[in-house]
Amino acid sequence: EPEVTQTPSHQVTQMGQEVILRCVPISNHLYFYWYRQILGQKVEFLVSFYNNEISEKSEIFDDQFSVERPDGSNFTLKIRSTKLEDSAMYFCASSGVHEWEETQYFGPGTRLLVL
Amino acid sequence: ILNVEQSPQSLHVQEGDSTNFTCSFPSSNFYALHWYRWETAKSPEALFVMTLNGDEKKKGRISATLNTKEGYSYLYIKGSQPEDSATYLCAFTMGGYQKVTFGTGTKLQVIP
Repeated sequence: EPEVTQTPSHQVTQMGQEVILRCVPISNHLYFYWYRQILGQKVEFLVSFYNNEISEKSEIFDDQFSVERPDGSNFTLKIRSTKLEDSAMYFCASSGVHEWEETQYFGPGTRLLVL
Repeated sequence: ILNVEQSPQSLHVQEGDSTNFTCSFPSSNFYALHWYRWETAKSPEALFVMTLNGDEKKKGRISATLNTKEGYSYLYIKGSQPEDSATYLCAFTMGGYQKVTFGTGTKLQVIP
């Protein structure tokens, strides 16, 4: 069964460093998402992406964050200058051959620790 | 700020018992309600997407109902098994938006 994959599974970085989290969505999906979960808190929506552009973003997704689909298979989340409070589990998801409101399939997540 | 609440926060049941949990969400401008099962160290797994008031969905021993007018959904598990142990998340989508708002989840432990 097709699945969403994410790399790396864990990343430790120093505050102020840039990180890039990578995702390979399910191949025929058209809608892509990033979420995060800070330890002990709810899963939070960051951004949705369709047709090579951001279609919606939350208030969390500020200028430090960017997303890209560089080559038609990868979907990346870049954090330019990490802060301590960026430490979280980051999930990528993809959905929808037809409509964005269809079931979203999640990857296993990348656990980011900012020191 | 959208409020999606789930209850209870955690639950222990004996193997073979049936159980249910609740998700409540804003009843205005409803678009879709999602249920996920999330086992430790795995990806959240989609169970159901429901869009219509009165929807009932079933997958094996798990079923869900939806009341959009009063803003709640129930998830039922019949004859719980140890492999049902997981956190069950509901998530709400409002009309016109792609943002999905998650509840805090109900953590279920099924005791053999």
